[in-house]
Amino acid sequence: DSGVTQTPKHLITATGQRVTLRCSPRSGDLSVYWYQQSLDQGLQFLIQYYNGEERAKGNILERFSAQQFPDLHSELNLSSLELGDSALYFCASSGPQWASGSNEQFFGPGTRLTVL
Amino acid sequence: DAKTTQPPSMDCAEGRAANLPCNHSTISGNEYVYWYRQIHSQGPQYIIHGLKNNETNEMASLIITEDRKSSTLILPHATLRDTAVYYCIATLSGGYNKLIFGAGTRLAVHP
Repeated sequence: DSGVTQTPKHLITATGQRVTLRCSPRSGDLSVYWYQQSLDQGLQFLIQYYNGEERAKGNILERFSAQQFPDLHSELNLSSLELGDSALYFCASSGPQWASGSNEQFFGPGTRLTVL
Repeated sequence: DAKTTQPPSMDCAEGRAANLPCNHSTISGNEYVYWYRQIHSQGPQYIIHGLKNNETNEMASLIITEDRKSSTLILPHATLRDTAVYYCIATLSGGYNKLIFGAGTRLAVHP
C-alpha cells in the first residue's frame, strides 16, 4: 500500500459525458502528479501540482483539467469524453524532500475509465 | 530528460539474478537514473535510483557505468512476483519533477 488513494476504482460512462477522478496523496506530500496509461500510448504524464499550484504540464488535452485543493487532495476532470479516453489514470505523490532528495513518486492503484 | 533505451523483453529463471540493462547515452551531469516497475496494471512502484555510484537496497542493486551512459538493474534472486514491466528513467532529482516513461522491459520470471 503506497498510501495514495484514488476513487473511484472503476468508472464506466458514455461519450460526451464528464467525470471527476479523485486522488488523496500520502500524508505530508505536497506534489501530486497525474498520469494516463492507455494500451497504445503507454504511461504518459499529464499534469503536476505542488502545494496547490500547477507546476508542470504534459500531454494533457484541453478537455481535461485538474486542481489541487488546500487539503492537498487533487481532482482530474475529464469532459466531452471520447472513446479514446478509455484508460487507466494514475495519481502519484512525492514528498517535500525537494532540495536534494529523492524524486521517488508513490503511485495510487489507479482509476480505470471506460468510455462507451 | 535524457532518452533511455531498454530491451522490450527478457526472461529469467526463478532464483537466478535478473540483469536489466538501460542505455542513457545523452544523460546530463545532474540527471539521476531511476528505476520503477509495474506489476500487471497496478500503479508503478519505485525500486531504486542513483547518480554515479552503485546503489543497493532491499529490492535491487543499480550499477552505473563510469561514463554514466548506461546502467544495469540487478534483481539478485528473482521470484515469480518480480514478473513486471521495468522502466528506466533519467530525470532530475527533487520533489517536483515529472517522470517520462518509455516502453520499459517486460521481465518474465519462470519456474
